[in-house]
Amino acid sequence: AQKITQTQPGMFVQEKEAVTLDCTYDTSDPSYGLFWYKQPSSGEMIFLIYQGSYDQQNATEGRYSLNFQKARKSANLVISASQLGDSAMYFCAMREGDEGGSEKLVFGKGTKLTVNP
Amino acid sequence: NAGVTQTPKFQVLKTGQSMTLQCAQDMNHNSMYWYRQDPGMGLRLIYYSASEGTTDKGEVPNGYNVSRLNKREFSLRLESAAPSQTSVYFCASSEETSFFITDTQYFGPGTRLTVL
Repeated sequence: AQKITQTQPGMFVQEKEAVTLDCTYDTSDPSYGLFWYKQPSSGEMIFLIYQGSYDQQNATEGRYSLNFQKARKSANLVISASQLGDSAMYFCAMREGDEGGSEKLVFGKGTKLTVNP
Repeated sequence: NAGVTQTPKFQVLKTGQSMTLQCAQDMNHNSMYWYRQDPGMGLRLIYYSASEGTTDKGEVPNGYNVSRLNKREFSLRLESAAPSQTSVYFCASSEETSFFITDTQYFGPGTRLTVL
């Protein structure tokens, strides 16, 4: 079973509007971290935002926020006031375990976001 | 502060040739990682190093070797390249030696490798 599922291969949004990119995860570990990365066409992976499983509040970083619904095992990325530069692939990733936990990030397959002028 | 750097950016090999991908970080991070990215597959971990002098296999280690030369540098070697190793390779680093869930990985710009 996939640990990270991103069901939207592609999304379109108008400039200045908000957009939500979906991510669901599968883990039985009570301790885990969720990450979002942006990959523009130039290819680099840029860290955007982090949410821990024990965090009480949803994470926010500038125009990025994470809609964390623990019971539903979802960690959707919300981008407010979209800009043309937001056009990119977006990856959700998870790291399980705390003390002696997992060395790896497990990535979803990504969502391609296109921002239209 | 360059972060994580990788060389080369592009490489074309013939089947059976060998090469080494170089990675360096200047953030004084303890852990370093090598991933490969294939279309529709996300990123998959090849090898990682929790600290200088240690390396361990990840999810897809076959056909690769690694060396943690010092705290800054972590290289990936393909001894006999195969077309199945055509991919984009990313190096990453993170601060911790233990794999806490809060430990963020920072990525290099990637190396696009084609094996003919």
